[in-house]
Parts: sequence; structure tokens; C-alpha cells
Amino acid sequence: GQNIDQPTEMTATEGAIVQINCTYQTSGFNGLFWYQQHAGEAPTFLSYNVLDGLEEKGRFSSFLSRSKGYSYLLLKELQMKDSASYLCARYNYGQNFVFGPGTRLSVLP
Amino acid sequence: ETGVTQTPRHLVMGMTNKKSLKCEQHLGHNAMYWYKQSAKKPLELMFVYNFKEQTENNSVPSRFSPECPNSSHLFLHLHTLQPEDSALYLCASSQDLKGVSGNTIYFGEGSWLTVV
Repeated sequence: GQNIDQPTEMTATEGAIVQINCTYQTSGFNGLFWYQQHAGEAPTFLSYNVLDGLEEKGRFSSFLSRSKGYSYLLLKELQMKDSASYLCARYNYGQNFVFGPGTRLSVLP
Repeated sequence: ETGVTQTPRHLVMGMTNKKSLKCEQHLGHNAMYWYKQSAKKPLELMFVYNFKEQTENNSVPSRFSPECPNSSHLFLHLHTLQPEDSALYLCASSQDLKGVSGNTIYFGEGSWLTVV
């Protein structure tokens, strides 16, 4: 199956840390990607994980557990500009990217 | 600037019109995609082309007709659309379909389509 689940909405305060979870069905899995999408704009690439563990890129980190079909995106030192939708996407070898429904994050002052 | 350019950015068309969306990528990629994004829905994959060959048609109605003349260009021809087809249409590209390492998908800015 291709089901990918994410929370629909989250709210956090400027300067805080927020974790956005993503679960997916593990069959045929080849990679897990995270994208950011501001309202009315195209998704932009944030990070990807192929192996278990944590990938850190500045204020953003992404974690993967392949056995559990679980990933999260960690955003530190939240800024107002981080208010956006965050899309989790799985990639299957020789197939295509399947996107989750996205999590709309609102950062409050 | 992601290296994927879409035109037009905005399009309003009647249900009897014929129009086309254009996508061009300057990344040297071999795989190109059309996605549809409706309000409050996940990105929906429509078509996938790899080395100019269509590898996936995700049960898309025939009123949407893709064309991929070469690895850098992708078109979506539209005819006799319905109001429910109004959405953001996103073109994307990736190196190929062979592996995930470094095989990030890059999106264009999208074409906002309104069918009246």
C-alpha cells in the first residue's frame, strides 16, 4: 500500500522546537523525503533519509526508522517564516514519489 | 529558482477551450512528472515520464493529455475540462527512476488553473 499519515495541523511558538511525524507502509520502501510548501508556492526540498538515523541540516533534522515505517522532521529555533505545510514523501525504487497529506504548521509570536 | 520552469503561471479557461501547460527543466534530469494539487488534498501524481517514455498514468481522465517531446520538456494538453479540474498543476523532475540516493524531485512553481 501507499498510505502515508501525518498530523493535519500543528501550532508552535517562535523560538521553540517542533517535531512533525510521518508514518508509512514499509513494503518496497526506498527513501523518505521531506518538503516544505508555503501557501500558493511549489514544494521545496528539505531533506531525505535512506538509512536509519538522524540527518541534520542546520535548524532542520530528519529521522528515519525503516523497521517501524516512521520518520519525523524536527524544526529548531522556530521562526515565523517556518509557517508552512510540511510534506512527507516516500520513494519506491523504479516507481515514483508518493506524498502524504501534509502537516500545516503555524508559528505564533 | 529550482531549475524547473512552468508556463503559464495562471490560466482561466472555459469548459470548451483547449489549452496547454508547459514545463521545462534545466537540470539535465531524465524523469518528469505532472502532479495535481487541489485545496486541502495531498499532491496527486498524474503522469510520469522517464527518458521520454510514459511510465505511469495514474488513472487520469483523457481530457488531460501529456506530451514529452524530449527529456527537458513536458506538456499537459487540456480540453473540455470541468470546474472540478480547477487546481494547482505542478511539474517536477528527478534524475531518473533508478535510485533514491541524490534523486531528489524538484518542482516548478506550478500553474494555477481555473475552469469556468
